[in-house]
Amino acid sequence: EAGVTQSPTHLIKTRGQQATLRCSPISGHTSVYWYQQALGLGLQFLLWYDEGEERNRGNFPPRFSGRQFPNYSSELNVNALELEDSALYLCASSSNTGDRNGELFFGEGSRLTVL
Amino acid sequence: QKEVEQNSGPLSVPEGAIASLNCTYSDRGSQSFFWYRQYSGKSPELIMSIYSNGDKEDGRFTAQLNKASQYVSLLIRDSQPSDSATYLCAVNKEGGYNKLIFGAGTRLAVHP
Repeated sequence: EAGVTQSPTHLIKTRGQQATLRCSPISGHTSVYWYQQALGLGLQFLLWYDEGEERNRGNFPPRFSGRQFPNYSSELNVNALELEDSALYLCASSSNTGDRNGELFFGEGSRLTVL
Repeated sequence: QKEVEQNSGPLSVPEGAIASLNCTYSDRGSQSFFWYRQYSGKSPELIMSIYSNGDKEDGRFTAQLNKASQYVSLLIRDSQPSDSATYLCAVNKEGGYNKLIFGAGTRLAVHP
């Protein structure tokens, strides 16, 4: 069974540009989570999508946004890129059932570099 | 105060020893607790989950939870060099929040 897949693996942008990252969850998983992992820092919660709706977001500015499609895949958009947005962006999925919330399966990440 | 706190390490233990990793959390409403392992350059992978006070064992790993003290730990018995990684403690608040909060992680180094 395929795991969580993310694309692109690497992305280089310049300040002010927009970046779009994509994620396909494990088959059968309806929840998709996005996390940012900057160098030397822990995982920072960005967004949670379930059944096509944004359910929760972390303490990030509105220029971080996304959506979830009917097939449960997801897209993270970062507008007006800043240098400090350079990080590994991790997508995770879960079956979101009862007390298994938090049992996340991560993709390999998309490394965004902002020059 | 950080929501989930861990010592950054590195925690260095000899092969075959017990590695003890600790984590404290600030929100008393937290209900679910997880340990993830992250090898350098890789994504995190779930190794243990615990939901009620006490111990939970899975092979060489034992998770311990004390909600009164807001403390969760991970013991790794018979540590192997392949256990060398960063261990992330994660805490979830129930009630539909699904906002899994991660600690910064403890780096474990197991030396032969």
